[in-house]
This record gives sequence, structure tokens and C-alpha cells, in this order.
Amino acid sequence: AQTVTQSQPEMSVQEAETVTLSCTYDTSESDYYLFWYKQPPSRQMILVIRQEAYKQQNATENRFSVNFQKAAKSFSLKISDSQLGDAAMYFCALGETSGSRLTFGEGTQLTVNP
Amino acid sequence: SQTIHQWPATLVQPVGSPLSLECTVEGTSNPNLYWYRQAAGRGLQLLFYSVGIGQISSEVPQNLSASRPQDRQFILSSKKLLLSDSGFYLCAWSRGNTNTEAFFGQGTRLTVV
Repeated sequence: AQTVTQSQPEMSVQEAETVTLSCTYDTSESDYYLFWYKQPPSRQMILVIRQEAYKQQNATENRFSVNFQKAAKSFSLKISDSQLGDAAMYFCALGETSGSRLTFGEGTQLTVNP
Repeated sequence: SQTIHQWPATLVQPVGSPLSLECTVEGTSNPNLYWYRQAAGRGLQLLFYSVGIGQISSEVPQNLSASRPQDRQFILSSKKLLLSDSGFYLCAWSRGNTNTEAFFGQGTRLTVV
């Protein structure tokens, strides 16, 4: 069975600073996908960034980047130049290629302080 | 472009009443479809997923059922709601035959009273 663990229930960061959210996972698959989703107070799930496990290069989307350590099964999200609009619940998710399911972590609530 | 519609946005139902939540996807064909439930402040629990019409996989035994009568329509149902069915329900889709990201509807907040 797949598992996703986010060990930080809450994090805070000062506006314009950098913050890193942690995620570890476990899977028996050799090929899979990893995602970070953002859920603001509206509760709409928004995709932030994705990483294919077969790619060694870490994904980057503007101020968001990941540190993907496949051997360690670690997938952290770095947010640079944090903005007030980044405040949200962030979920790490693992998708298997042999099936069609996404497994989510419990989330990290990010607060951005002005 | 693809869009996903989920309704209603909020619902208050008495214990023992039936439930029907509907989700439709536009702009794509043969999507994978999902129903998730989210407890307050928690992660998403996969309830059902479907890779095609009439094909439903259940992840968690419960008081709910799902159906896919058309390619882009996914329905979550219950014959008799329980208090424990209260929660936030999210429908999602992903492209069939590949494992890409899931795209979510805006969710339904269900309160069983």
C-alpha cells in the first residue's frame, strides 16, 4: 500500500522569506508521480507542481520548487519570496502509474505573516 | 479546455434521507473519475474511482455508492444518510490511460443533521 506522510501539521513564514514543506512517501512502484496541491480557504484544490519519478531534475514553477530524493523517498516543496496569497493548506500526493489513484498526505497549514 | 462541475455546493440533509451528488466533466473523453472525502483540517480520503462507464472501484466500505452512467458523469449516492457521512466531498478527474495530475471540482459541504 502507498503512504504519504507530512510531518509538519503547521508552518509559518514571514512575507518575502523562504519556507520548505516536508513530505515522505512509501511505494512499491518503480514509476510514479508526485504532486503538491494547495487548498486555500475556498477549499478549491489547486495543483502547484508535479514531479515524474523517472526524472532526476527537480521540478520548478516560478517561486515553487521541489527537492526530490528518490532513494530517500522524500519530496519537499520550497516556496521562495513567500506572499500573503500563499497562505493555505498544502497537500503532498503520490500517484501510481499502474493504477489510477492518488494518495494524499494529511496536509501542512501554511501561515504567511506580513 | 476541460472543466469540472460539481453540485450542489452545500447541502443539509436529515439522517436517514437519500443523497445524490453529481459531477460532470467537459472538454475531455474517457477520463478517470474520483470521489474524495475530506474531514475538517485533514487530508483527502479516496472513496471511489472509475476508469470507464459502469466501472466503479470502492476504496472504503461505507454507506455510500457511486455510479458512472455516462462517460463524463459521476454520481455519489446514499440510500440512508448517517451522521458520520457529514464532510466535504470532492470530485476529480484525470486523463485516462496516463497517470497525470487530478483536477478537482469545487466540492460539496454535506451536513447530516
